Amino acid sequence: QKEVEQNSGPLSVPEGAIASLNCTYSDRGSQSFFWYRQYSGKSPELIMSIYSNGDKEDGRFTAQLNKASQYVSLLIRDSQPSDSATYLCAVNTNAGKSTFGDGTTLTVKP
Amino acid sequence: DAGVTQSPTHLIKTRGQQVTLRCSPISGHKSVSWYQQVLGQGPQFIFQYYEKEERGRGNFPDRFSARQFPNYSSELNVNALLLGDSALYLCASSWGVTISGNTIYFGEGSWLTVV
Repeated sequence: QKEVEQNSGPLSVPEGAIASLNCTYSDRGSQSFFWYRQYSGKSPELIMSIYSNGDKEDGRFTAQLNKASQYVSLLIRDSQPSDSATYLCAVNTNAGKSTFGDGTTLTVKP
Repeated sequence: DAGVTQSPTHLIKTRGQQVTLRCSPISGHKSVSWYQQVLGQGPQFIFQYYEKEERGRGNFPDRFSARQFPNYSSELNVNALLLGDSALYLCASSWGVTISGNTIYFGEGSWLTVV
């Protein structure tokens, strides 16, 4: 079992819809959680960080964390074609080392 | 403010050669980490350095080594290159190693092709 697992994807949604990206992790000691966006041929770009159970909203993005279920998700509202990218979930189990999932590729169709 | 800078951006090496990749962190950041990203996979942790000391090492062979300099910049060295070392090498910096200070920010990466 991988330490961080994401939907295998690819995920395709129409423009304006809500895209839901999911991630589970295996280490219950994990304390910080991140979502990165990676466009093809580019490096990952930080979108959101979340540390406590519940929801955290930033513009069209909402991160949700449930430590009891070892689950973190990212919702993208009003999806735009420019949101088409690979989304990486990262988990810090001890300070400094981030463990990444393999990513979910999102395509937003106009 | 400048972000994380890496050099070179692209390079091609032959099997058996050695390569050195360089990274300068965001100003004020004291921690540098290195990741390897193979096509279709997420970044894999190689090393973390904080205040010039190694703070973590991933599951990579001894052919991989790194160091951090007094100005917090860092180098990643890979010896005896194999075809499987072809990947995007990402440098990431963070302010520190505490939970609140360990958000990592990536540079643009160094694309290494081994032929």
